Amino acid sequence: TQLLEQSPQFLSIQEGENLTVYCNSSSVFSSLQWYRQEPGEGPVLLVTVVTGGEVKKLKRLTFQFGDARKDSSLHITAAQTGDTGLYLCAGALPDSGTYKYIFGTGTRLKVLA
Amino acid sequence: DSGVTQTPKHLITATGQRVTLRCSPRSGDLSVYWYQQSLDQGLQFLIQYYNGEERAKGNILERFSAQQFPDLHSELNLSSLELGDSALYFCASSVMDSKTRNTIYFGEGSWLTVV
Repeated sequence: TQLLEQSPQFLSIQEGENLTVYCNSSSVFSSLQWYRQEPGEGPVLLVTVVTGGEVKKLKRLTFQFGDARKDSSLHITAAQTGDTGLYLCAGALPDSGTYKYIFGTGTRLKVLA
Repeated sequence: DSGVTQTPKHLITATGQRVTLRCSPRSGDLSVYWYQQSLDQGLQFLIQYYNGEERAKGNILERFSAQQFPDLHSELNLSSLELGDSALYFCASSVMDSKTRNTIYFGEGSWLTVV
């Protein structure tokens, strides 16, 4: 059974602080996606990382894919209240000509003013 | 806007009833995935279709079924509904054969409440 462990599960921080969310697995992924989800809405894609060691930046968000493509991190600099939400990582695994996606359990972030 | 369209957005129905949720994937995407998300829970994979054929099954109950039509839209049928079926149901689509991105894009979900 492929698992994607995400940590921490919950995070409550003050506006302006930095934070890092981690996704770890024993599986090697073809790619890994990060999503942000607000209550009652669908997950919105933030980034896809494909190459081992890849680093992508999206304004104050920095995403890193591990060298072995088994893990990833999301770092937020100077968090804002608008960053509040559920962050999900998902790894894509080849499966008989298609892909299956393994989702992490999510990190629920609350940024306080 | 992800390009994945789901209808209805909200649905309230009684126990024992049957409902159909509809999904239109992004233009050009051949693969459709269905997920269930209960309150404060993670995404549970239900089923995947590719170009009209079932490709993978997850934790989908026997009371639930899905299909993908020639125009690539998909429907998720939920029957003999129980209170515990109340959840957000998401459809996602992807260009399955992409060698570079393998990304799935989610619709906004259908919120089902069983009373």
